Amino acid sequence: DTAVSQTPKYLVTQMGNDKSIKCEQNLGHDTMYWYKQDSKKFLKIMFSYNNKELIINETVPNRFSPKSPDKAHLNLHINSLELGDSAVYFCASSQDWGGNTIYFGEGSWLTVV
Amino acid sequence: AQRVTQPEKLLSVFKGAPVELKCNYSYSGSPELFWYVQYSRQRLQLLLRHISRESIKGFTADLNKGETSFHLKKPFAQEEDSAMYYCALSPGGYNKLIFGAGTRLAVHP
Repeated sequence: DTAVSQTPKYLVTQMGNDKSIKCEQNLGHDTMYWYKQDSKKFLKIMFSYNNKELIINETVPNRFSPKSPDKAHLNLHINSLELGDSAVYFCASSQDWGGNTIYFGEGSWLTVV
Repeated sequence: AQRVTQPEKLLSVFKGAPVELKCNYSYSGSPELFWYVQYSRQRLQLLLRHISRESIKGFTADLNKGETSFHLKKPFAQEEDSAMYYCALSPGGYNKLIFGAGTRLAVHP
């Protein structure tokens, strides 16, 4: 009965590859997010979608492309991976866009070698 | 500018000692403030939000608008409290969390 689930949990890949991280929530929420946690444990929002529409894009390189096929899914595709992309990526969701509790997934550990 | 500052990267205490994790924020409007906790290799979980004014796992936090602070306190730390704690701000009415850098709390036996 996992609320926000992400796959894969661990991903090791070479520079230049393209990879995707998938996220699904079964909470019936309208809004989903991607956050990045860097090696210093600093968390920063990357994207937010509300009802499949992009509402936040925090100056993320266009190698990162989120895709929301429906409001229960928000996938993150990364092209031409770079060493600096190594991080933990957290998916999250909330009831809607207006001031509700945000629920996080367990994170996807991406290592680029 | 919207900013959350957690001045301590690491707070190390002994079991039973009081704990205060500091959080200061910068925001011109009326923010919502939160504390999230991340236990080792687990997901971030909401610990407290200031509007609910409740105590979770013995932790409390009071919003001080004059000092723009939202410090997290617990009178007697337990070993299971060891985790990474993040203070976060949400601009009024918007679900965009701005996180502080986090404070690692280590509670020793």
